[in-house]
Amino acid sequence: SQTIHQWPATLVQPVGSPLSLECTVEGTSNPNLYWYRQAAGRGLQLLFYSVGIGQISSEVPQNLSASRPQDRQFILSSKKLLLSDSGFYLCAWSTILAGVGEQYFGPGTRLTVT
Amino acid sequence: GENVEQHPSTLSVQEGDSAVIKCTYSDSASNYFPWYKQELGKRPQLIIDIRSNVGEKKDQRIAVTLNKTAKHFSLHITETQPEDSAVYFCAARRWGSARQLTFGSGTQLTVLP
Repeated sequence: SQTIHQWPATLVQPVGSPLSLECTVEGTSNPNLYWYRQAAGRGLQLLFYSVGIGQISSEVPQNLSASRPQDRQFILSSKKLLLSDSGFYLCAWSTILAGVGEQYFGPGTRLTVT
Repeated sequence: GENVEQHPSTLSVQEGDSAVIKCTYSDSASNYFPWYKQELGKRPQLIIDIRSNVGEKKDQRIAVTLNKTAKHFSLHITETQPEDSAVYFCAARRWGSARQLTFGSGTQLTVLP
């Protein structure tokens, strides 16, 4: 069965510091991968999605970037964090095979920028 | 692009009563409609989904209905229990495409004991 991992689970970082969040998927090949951010009490904002290695689409212009160095690895980065970057970061995967297309979320990383 | 509107934003029901959450979508090409439940501090969990070749789907106490003509779909929870309290999100997408899901803004459901 498929499993999605995210780390770290929680993170407290000062303003202006760099960020690297990692997401990996097990048990599937060539998944579509997504990064979402959820501010406290708010909805799901899609940040990036990827349909393959090195293929990244950005949904919201901001100081974040994403990379997909391996088929089942998705990384979210920032060179300098802002206070507004605080939130719950969720990685998700889906696979477009015949009869499949459901999207599943990872456990999330709770980021607090101080 | 697709736009999904979800109502109500908050819903309180007595334990044992039914709850209904409604969503409308704009893209007539959308044909896959999942619902997610997110408990406080946890990830959204897929609880039920429907494709446009059916009008209704049930799984125990939850059901989803779809009206393609009117472009709206609804989540029905019967015999609500306190553990049903959570935020529920609807979403829409074209089945089998790489396009990402478009989510509604969420409904905070509170089941009062």
